[in-house]
Amino acid sequence: EIVMTQTPLSLPVTLGQPASISCRSSKSLVYYDGKTYLSWLHQRPGQPPRLLIYKISDRFSGVPDRFSGSGAGTDFTLNISRVEADDVGIYYCMQATQLRTFGQGTRLEIK
Amino acid sequence: EVQFVESGGGLVQPGGSLRLSCAASGFVFSKYEMNWVRQAPGKGLEWVAYISASGRVTYYADSVKGRFTISRDENSLHLDMNSLRVEDTAVYYCMRDDYDSGCFGGPWGQGTLVTVSS
Repeated sequence: EIVMTQTPLSLPVTLGQPASISCRSSKSLVYYDGKTYLSWLHQRPGQPPRLLIYKISDRFSGVPDRFSGSGAGTDFTLNISRVEADDVGIYYCMQATQLRTFGQGTRLEIK
Repeated sequence: EVQFVESGGGLVQPGGSLRLSCAASGFVFSKYEMNWVRQAPGKGLEWVAYISASGRVTYYADSVKGRFTISRDENSLHLDMNSLRVEDTAVYYCMRDDYDSGCFGGPWGQGTLVTVSS
């Protein structure tokens, strides 16, 4: 099983400031087709998750360009260029290279 | 628009059974692999089961293997849950895999709540 480890687990951020979340996998996420199936999800309180980023850096439909993803192999990062009030909640990374596993989640709150 | 509507959740006693369903619309359901994912109250996301587009290949998390069965028909995904335990209490979501675009992880329905309690 591939284990996904996120840091930090809690992230207080001032409105308008950038934020960054890291995700590390226990094995390389490069699939046999050469692609890397690493996604980022956001879950607001009381809501289902919503997809933000897939294949490391592709933004899902309707996701603002404030959100960006980067990384390769086993180390990945989600960046938010300017945090807005709506961005609070929990962020998860998810790998789909070998079955599916999720990170523990990172709680973003406004300072 | 791709949509999922999960149903079938409810209160069940330990050792009991339940069948969850996920009605899909907005895309050709038979062409996509599907998963069940769950979230226990106040906890993170946990992958539960996978089924191939044909329905012939299935995988399960160790925590549910031998107790849960994933299946599909023309436009719906199902999860038959037997020998339920208190720790199976969670909101259950269905999740689509899109290998063509490499898009994994969404979109999501509202989920259905399963509560296992005496």
